[in-house]
Amino acid sequence: SQTIHQWPATLVQPVGSPLSLECTVEGTSNPNLYWYRQAAGRGLQLLFYSVGIGQISSEVPQNLSASRPQDRQFILSSKKLLLSDSGFYLCAWSTDSNYGYTFGSGTRLTVV
Amino acid sequence: RKEVEQDPGPFNVPEGATVAFNCTYSNSASQSFFWYRQDCRKEPKLLMSVYSSGNEDGRFTAQLNRASQYISLLIRDSKLSDSATYLCVVTPGAGSYQLTFGKGTKLSVIP
Repeated sequence: SQTIHQWPATLVQPVGSPLSLECTVEGTSNPNLYWYRQAAGRGLQLLFYSVGIGQISSEVPQNLSASRPQDRQFILSSKKLLLSDSGFYLCAWSTDSNYGYTFGSGTRLTVV
Repeated sequence: RKEVEQDPGPFNVPEGATVAFNCTYSNSASQSFFWYRQDCRKEPKLLMSVYSSGNEDGRFTAQLNRASQYISLLIRDSKLSDSATYLCVVTPGAGSYQLTFGKGTKLSVIP
């Protein structure tokens, strides 16, 4: 069966520090991968998606970036965090969006 | 017009009540429709897909009206454990890799 792993679960980082969040999927190949952010009390905001290794589409211009170095690995990064980067970051995968997404358990990031 | 619109609630209902949520979507080319459930501080989880003919899963019934571009979710005999935020989700159309999420409707089932 397919599983998605996301870590860490919680993170507290100072303003200006770098960020690296990792997401891996098991039990499937060539998944579509997604990074979403959910600010407190808000809806889901799509940040990046990838349909293959090295292929990244950005939905929102900001100080975040994403990379897909391996088929089932998706990384979200920042060189310098801002207070506004605080939120709940969710990784998701699908093979066909017509069947929905499966989300990882998320990383709750607080920038202080 | 927002792509997917939902009443944010909250809907506060007693145990055993029947509650219905509606959702409207703007893209008439949307092909697939879902309801997700998100518990507080957790990830969204797929509750059910929504088919043109309507579908039922236990106490939950989902319906789609393509002509009016709305989706509904009916929960019968509400349980305390049904308390969550319910997200309406659609695919934008053919060839899209993305889902469009509504902001959710919050349900609180009260003892």
